[in-house]
Amino acid sequence: DIQMTQSPSTLSASVGDRVTITCRASQRISFWLAWYQQKSGKAPKLLIYKASTLESGVPSRFSGSGSGTEFSLTIASLQPDDFATYFCQQYHDYPWTFGQGTKVEIK
Amino acid sequence: QVHLQQWGAQLLKPSETLSLTCVVNGESLNAFYWTWIRQTPVKGLEWIGEVDDRGSTKYSPSLKSRVTISVDTSKNLFSLNMTSVTAADTAVYYCARSTTLVGASGWGQGTLVTVSS
Repeated sequence: DIQMTQSPSTLSASVGDRVTITCRASQRISFWLAWYQQKSGKAPKLLIYKASTLESGVPSRFSGSGSGTEFSLTIASLQPDDFATYFCQQYHDYPWTFGQGTKVEIK
Repeated sequence: QVHLQQWGAQLLKPSETLSLTCVVNGESLNAFYWTWIRQTPVKGLEWIGEVDDRGSTKYSPSLKSRVTISVDTSKNLFSLNMTSVTAADTAVYYCARSTTLVGASGWGQGTLVTVSS
């Protein structure tokens, strides 16, 4: 299975901050990477797919980049609604695998 | 807008069979993969498997021996069966709509399944 490693595990930030979460794959996955946002008690929500394509309806402050094994999710200016946990997921090979998550909390 | 609604037994004893169903509203089952994913605090998100509208399936190798995912196109729903559950199968189970282009783009509300004697 492809291992997905996210960092950091927890990120403390303030409203208005620019934050970046990284995700590393244990082998090359081209651009077959998605990012999800999950709030407490809710299902994950797709934010970005194919590493950098914004899902419809997702605010433009979210962006993704990377290919191969190194990826990142950036929130340009953190908003109160963005405090949540973020997961990366590879869908290059079965079984699809997820990172362990990055919790973005209020500083 | 697709809406996935799931249901099933939430409390099981060890060795019983987990059964969950997910009905798809607002979308045909055609052209998508219908997926089950589970989440635990320790292991995080774990892909279980998927089925397409023709009934073709893929499973996680670690669960394949115990899992069956099926589809009923006449009722626009799909189902998960997992046999011989143990406490390690305690998790929130999600159904989801997936494609190989975007990943999982629509999710059910989740069902907490607890396995306890």
